[in-house]
Amino acid sequence: KAGVTQTPRYLIKTRGQQVTLSCSPISGHRSVSWYQQTPGQGLQFLFEYFSETQRNKGNFPGRFSGRQFSNSRSEMNVSTLELGDSALYLCASSTGTTTNEKLFFGSGTQLSVL
Amino acid sequence: AQTVTQSQPEMSVQEAETVTLSCTYDTSESDYYLFWYKQPPSRQMILVIRQEAYKQQNATENRFSVNFQKAAKSFSLKISDSQLGDAAMYFCAYRSAMGGSNYKLTFGKGTLLTVNP
Repeated sequence: KAGVTQTPRYLIKTRGQQVTLSCSPISGHRSVSWYQQTPGQGLQFLFEYFSETQRNKGNFPGRFSGRQFSNSRSEMNVSTLELGDSALYLCASSTGTTTNEKLFFGSGTQLSVL
Repeated sequence: AQTVTQSQPEMSVQEAETVTLSCTYDTSESDYYLFWYKQPPSRQMILVIRQEAYKQQNATENRFSVNFQKAAKSFSLKISDSQLGDAAMYFCAYRSAMGGSNYKLTFGKGTLLTVNP
């Protein structure tokens, strides 16, 4: 079974641009969640999608948005990039149906904003 | 809001020895889950062990075990017979078992573990 796939692995953008990151979950998983990882703030929850609906949202500005498609693949978009958006963005997938289940993480997209 | 604190930014251990990583958390909930995740240089987060708060028995997975003290809100990870492959960043994480926030993990800042040969 293929794992969680995130593309691209690395991305370099300049301030003011926008970026789209992609996450393909494990086959059969309907929940995809996104996390931002920075040296200063650590890992912070962005949002979670289940069956194309946003079910949970973290405390991030509206510049951060996401969506999920009918095949459970998810995209995350950041508009008007700021230097502080430089981070590793991780996504995780699960069935989304039980409360104690394991999350499977991808290897992340490293975003650098210049 | 729940918080997770890992007070040891870095730890080191000799190969084959035992090391304990500390984690404390704050919550007003009675039902929740606790996790230890490992992040090697490949950046992929890997689940090491998990504990359900309603279970008094400490979880064990091979060389990894936890000391879960619910009243003290403490959740430490013990790694026995440390191996070079255990070197990684370790994160303690909390997940509520209630309502719509089930699938959000709250992480600590991490502990970087070095294993010396």
